[in-house]
Amino acid sequence: KAGVTQTPRYLIKTRGQQVTLSCSPISGHRSVSWYQQTPGQGLQFLFEYFSETQRNKGNFPGRFSGRQFSNSRSEMNVSTLELGDSALYLCASSLAPGSRSTLGWVGEQFFGPGTRLTVL
Amino acid sequence: EDKVVQSPLSLVVHEGDTVTLNCSYEVTNFRSLLWYKQEKKAPTFLFMLTSSGIEKKSGRLSSILDKKELSSILNITATQTGDSAIYLCAVEPGTYKYIFGTGTRLKVLA
Repeated sequence: KAGVTQTPRYLIKTRGQQVTLSCSPISGHRSVSWYQQTPGQGLQFLFEYFSETQRNKGNFPGRFSGRQFSNSRSEMNVSTLELGDSALYLCASSLAPGSRSTLGWVGEQFFGPGTRLTVL
Repeated sequence: EDKVVQSPLSLVVHEGDTVTLNCSYEVTNFRSLLWYKQEKKAPTFLFMLTSSGIEKKSGRLSSILDKKELSSILNITATQTGDSAIYLCAVEPGTYKYIFGTGTRLKVLA
């Protein structure tokens, strides 16, 4: 079974530009989460999507947004890039049953290779 | 505020040693705890521990969840240089997200 894929793997942008990152989850996985990883802050949660609905989001400014499509693929967008947005952006997918008995349940998450974004 | 704390921050051992990595958490509604290994790329899933599965083992790696102490340990026996990595602990507080600790950087010397 193919793993989580992310494109592009590397990006170089300048301040003020915007960027769109893509994530294709493992086949059958319906939950997609996004994280920002920096040396100083570690892995910081951005948002989680399940069946095209954002179920939670982290403490990031509104410049960070995302969406999920009906095939569970997800994109995240960062507008008006700042130098501090330089980071490794990781996507993770999970089965996430999402039933009432598993409220709040994400389950085992598997990560993609990440997109390394450099903002100049 | 929910938080996850890992210790030690870094560790240097020699091949063959046994190491114990710690993860403690303070969350409002614990659902699960995950351990990951991260080398120069994305984190690789190791274990998931829940209220119904508090002990896991795979080869030289094992992990235990202590719900009373709100903590977990990851043991690695007979360490090898290939075990050198950052080990991450993440906790799901029942809000559709995981909170990660800052990780323990393990270096195994030959």
